[in-house]
Amino acid sequence: DAGVIQSPRHEVTEMGQEVTLRCKPISGHNSLFWYRQTMMRGLELLIYFNNNVPIDDSGMPEDRFSAKMPNASFSTLKIQPSEPRDSAVYFCASKGRSWETQYFGPGTRLLVL
Amino acid sequence: KNQVEQSPQSLIILEGKNCTLQCNYTVSPFSNLRWYKQDTGRGPVSLTIMTFSENTKSNGRYTATLDADTKQSSLHITASQLSDSASYICVVSAKVPGGGADGLTFGKGTHLIIQP
Repeated sequence: DAGVIQSPRHEVTEMGQEVTLRCKPISGHNSLFWYRQTMMRGLELLIYFNNNVPIDDSGMPEDRFSAKMPNASFSTLKIQPSEPRDSAVYFCASKGRSWETQYFGPGTRLLVL
Repeated sequence: KNQVEQSPQSLIILEGKNCTLQCNYTVSPFSNLRWYKQDTGRGPVSLTIMTFSENTKSNGRYTATLDADTKQSSLHITASQLSDSASYICVVSAKVPGGGADGLTFGKGTHLIIQP
């Protein structure tokens, strides 16, 4: 299995631009998570999906952030408009049954200038 | 509020030496505790998972302990290697959503550096 796939691996953009991060979970997993990681705050859960349905988006910082999961094999996290304080590493993770561990992707390193 | 505190924040040791990382939590009701290893530039990878009834669990040179009474866990690394240089993150799961979806509360991690 290829594991969780994220793209792009790195993104540099200017303030005000739209940013779209992509994630392909492990085949057969039915839960997908989006996290943000910074040195100051560590890992923070942004949103998670169960069977393609958003269950908890309380971690999404602002309306500028949105996430979709149109099917079981693909999800996007969009930031519009982006701001310098959005600079962080964004991780996608997936898991199967509820008691199983989450498998993390390699992350997308975002820098907003 | 559910919280996970890790110490030390960072640690530097010589190759071959042992070290112990600490995790204190206030997550309740407790379900399980995981230790993740995160190499620089990569996503976290699970090392161990322990439930309430488990006191210790090993994964090669990594041994995790859990004291559910004092709400403390430790990760002991034996005979450290250069490849152990990474961040180690303690994650505690509640039986009901507390720290967020799936009831997970993350520590900020311990940054470990192994010097030759």
